[in-house]
Amino acid sequence: EDKVVQSPLSLVVHEGDTVTLNCSYEVTNFRSLLWYKQEKKAPTFLFMLTSSGIEKKSGRLSSILDKKELFSILNITATQTGDSAVYLCALKGSNYQLIWGAGTKLIIKP
Amino acid sequence: NAGVMQNPRHLVRRRGQEARLRCSPMKGHSHVYWYRQLPEEGLKFMVYLQKENIIDESGMPKERFSAEFPKEGPSILRIQQVVRGDSAAYFCASSPQNKGNTEAFFGQGTRLTVV
Repeated sequence: EDKVVQSPLSLVVHEGDTVTLNCSYEVTNFRSLLWYKQEKKAPTFLFMLTSSGIEKKSGRLSSILDKKELFSILNITATQTGDSAVYLCALKGSNYQLIWGAGTKLIIKP
Repeated sequence: NAGVMQNPRHLVRRRGQEARLRCSPMKGHSHVYWYRQLPEEGLKFMVYLQKENIIDESGMPKERFSAEFPKEGPSILRIQQVVRGDSAAYFCASSPQNKGNTEAFFGQGTRLTVV
């Protein structure tokens, strides 16, 4: 059964810290892995990863995929209070459904 | 491009009533997905539709729930005889195709409260 496990479930850090969020998965037929940020509304798309070892970067956020060890990480450097959100990892497998992790709730304290 | 539009944003129903949730996909998108999110939980897949076809409804309860995506008009998620456990946020997403390298764009969701 395809599944996605995110860790930690919640994380509290201070502004300016760097955080690393983890997403491990099991899948029969990997298509892609996606990261979303969810505040009190709809998830907003961050990254889509399909190839191992290629870092995707957007400002202070970056993500990388390891298809051999079956995980991805999302890094946020120099965190700001506006980064506080739930970060969701989703896997697109053989049937093209998105299978979601439970999310990591990130709280940035000023 | 207005993005994925869902309405209503908030819906309150009494137990036993029907709830109709609407989703208009982004222009040019013919694939629609419905997800349910319970408080403090992740998104759970419910159903995947293309125009006039249900492709995968494996995540949708067999009883009381139905979905459609007609040739004209929005996709509708219909919940009959709602119960308190149906209270959740329902998100719709759309994509132009369903290949592995295509992300889905989400609407703002409909928050259903059953009283």
